[in-house]
Amino acid sequence: DGGITQSPKYLFRKEGQNVTLSCEQNLNHDAMYWYRQDPGQGLRLIYYSQIVNDFQKGDIAEGYSVSREKKESFPLTVTSAQKNPTAFYLCASSIWTGRGNIQYFGAGTRLSVL
Amino acid sequence: AQSVTQPDIHITVSEGASLELRCNYSYGATPYLFWYVQSPGQGLQLLLKYFSGDTLVQGIKGFEAEFKRSQSSFNLRKPSVHWSDAAEYFCAVGAGGFKTIFGAGTRLFVKA
Repeated sequence: DGGITQSPKYLFRKEGQNVTLSCEQNLNHDAMYWYRQDPGQGLRLIYYSQIVNDFQKGDIAEGYSVSREKKESFPLTVTSAQKNPTAFYLCASSIWTGRGNIQYFGAGTRLSVL
Repeated sequence: AQSVTQPDIHITVSEGASLELRCNYSYGATPYLFWYVQSPGQGLQLLLKYFSGDTLVQGIKGFEAEFKRSQSSFNLRKPSVHWSDAAEYFCAVGAGGFKTIFGAGTRLFVKA
């Protein structure tokens, strides 16, 4: 089945530690996204990538980094510079239909700080 | 700037009652509009979308939404709510190119 796989489902970070969240898609979509979700704040865009080897900062990129070496993969690293990383992280991919851009989501990773 | 407003943080309806979730958007051109649903601890699932044409769009799970350009609204409706519809609902607008702007969400509670 085609879809978006995020791993792990739960992740714990120690102080000063970098952690990487995985996102893989087999939908053959060109664009991929990372969102952060906090209670009552909806989804906030961290980074997005329209093609391989290219990505752009979203609204809250500070303390995060990404790479896009393969079309299928868009990992997100939460660095030690992100002082409040506890949140639910959602990865998405999208395809341009010629009439609009439709995003599809993974099941999410919940990150907590120890 | 593009924005999406969902005025209701949470709504409670009785099972079997009708439902309407409100959404207002701000966008300079013809909008692409979406409704997504999220169950606790899960990702977002697309319920329906509006790109052009008929202003009343049908989606999955018996949901529909009506685009009203004069009111800048895209309200989600369901004639009879089931307990399994309890979830958080997000309205979104295509912000040009590959970006999408999401509202803050409305949490739906269903009482027996």
